[in-house]
Amino acid sequence: EVQLVESGGALIQPGGSLRLSCAASGFSVSSKYMSWVRQAPGKGLAWVSVTYRDGMSFYSDSVKGRFSISRDNSKNTLYLQMNSLRAEDTAMYYCVTGGVILPYDSWGQGTLVTVSA
Amino acid sequence: EIVLTQSPDTVSLSPGERATLSCRASQSVTANYLAWYQQKPGQAPRLLIHGASSRATGIPDSFSGSGSGTDFTLTISRLEPEDFAVYYCQQYGSSPYTFGQGTKVEIK
Repeated sequence: EVQLVESGGALIQPGGSLRLSCAASGFSVSSKYMSWVRQAPGKGLAWVSVTYRDGMSFYSDSVKGRFSISRDNSKNTLYLQMNSLRAEDTAMYYCVTGGVILPYDSWGQGTLVTVSA
Repeated sequence: EIVLTQSPDTVSLSPGERATLSCRASQSVTANYLAWYQQKPGQAPRLLIHGASSRATGIPDSFSGSGSGTDFTLTISRLEPEDFAVYYCQQYGSSPYTFGQGTKVEIK
């Protein structure tokens, strides 16, 4: 059974940095496209980033240059390094399998990031 | 960027009724890579439909998707109490991979 468990969310001041983790089980993160999707409180869903099986990665314009997606195949874990955080980055962050030409077929429970002074 | 517009924003229906949700794209969706997700309060979204009309694993046949190009529809043939939720469409064929704003299906 595919399982995704996110962690690392916190209350952080504007300009700060945070690293989110997504521990996967039931499959290898190296074998799938993996993505991050976020949802601001009371709002809709928004794609953040995707990493291909070969390691290529892409970002939404709103986070490009500030966020970095990566994975550690030995730990079967996906990461999202978030720098220069802004109030508008406040959201629940979901780790998902899929992306590019594949739908998001498995979701974690999410981890909450709050950017506030 | 492909903008997805869902309608209506909210629909009020009774259990047993049929729900028809619309998703219109600002330009043609590549290869009909259009998905529908269901989200209940406090939960992560769940994939219902992919490729515009293929049901995801474990999704009951009361859910069906149709459409192509720029106009897509999610139909729930007979609403069960657990179907009252927010539904999002998403295109995953062209970056950035955009979502609609959501349609809330509420109990009348």
